[in-house]
Amino acid sequence: DGGITQSPKYLFRKEGQNVTLSCEQNLNHDAMYWYRQDPGQGLRLIYYSQIVNDFQKGDIAEGYSVSREKKESFPLTVTSAQKNPTAFYLCASSSTGDYGYTFGSGTRLTVV
Amino acid sequence: EDQVTQSPEALRLQEGESSSLNCSYTVSGLRGLFWYRQDPGKGPEFLFTLYSAGEEKEKERLKATLTKKESFLHITAPKPEDSATYLCAVQERSGGGADGLTFGKGTHLIIQP
Repeated sequence: DGGITQSPKYLFRKEGQNVTLSCEQNLNHDAMYWYRQDPGQGLRLIYYSQIVNDFQKGDIAEGYSVSREKKESFPLTVTSAQKNPTAFYLCASSSTGDYGYTFGSGTRLTVV
Repeated sequence: EDQVTQSPEALRLQEGESSSLNCSYTVSGLRGLFWYRQDPGKGPEFLFTLYSAGEEKEKERLKATLTKKESFLHITAPKPEDSATYLCAVQERSGGGADGLTFGKGTHLIIQP
């Protein structure tokens, strides 16, 4: 079945560490997105990519980095510069001309 | 700046008690308005896209409607399995800038048997 796979489901980060969240899709979608979800807040856009080897900052890109070397993959790195990284991270994808987004099941990141 | 406001924040209904969730938005040009359902610890699941005022879409016990300023998600005779957080999002019609969706904070719906 086609879909988006996020891994790991749970991730723990120590202070000063960089961690990478994986996002893979087999839907042949062109665009991919990373959102952050905090309790009591809406989803906020971190980064998005509409084509391989190109990506754009969203509303809260500081402390995060991404790459898009393959159409299927859009990993997100949470760097030590992100001071409040504890959150639920969601990856999504969409096809050009198709306005429906498909979301992954999320990664819950906790700072320990 | 786009703004999406959902109300109420939380709603508790008895099974079979119909109600509506509201999503009001301000955007310079609407490309699409989206409704999603999200269960705890999971990613949002797509429900509907609405593109223009007057448009309506239905799926089982859910019906979404759109005006120029707001959208309603009507839930008819809900069942306990309809309990979830319902998210509204808008996408602005623009030639550049962020192409992502702007989300509201959601309405947490609980249906009691």
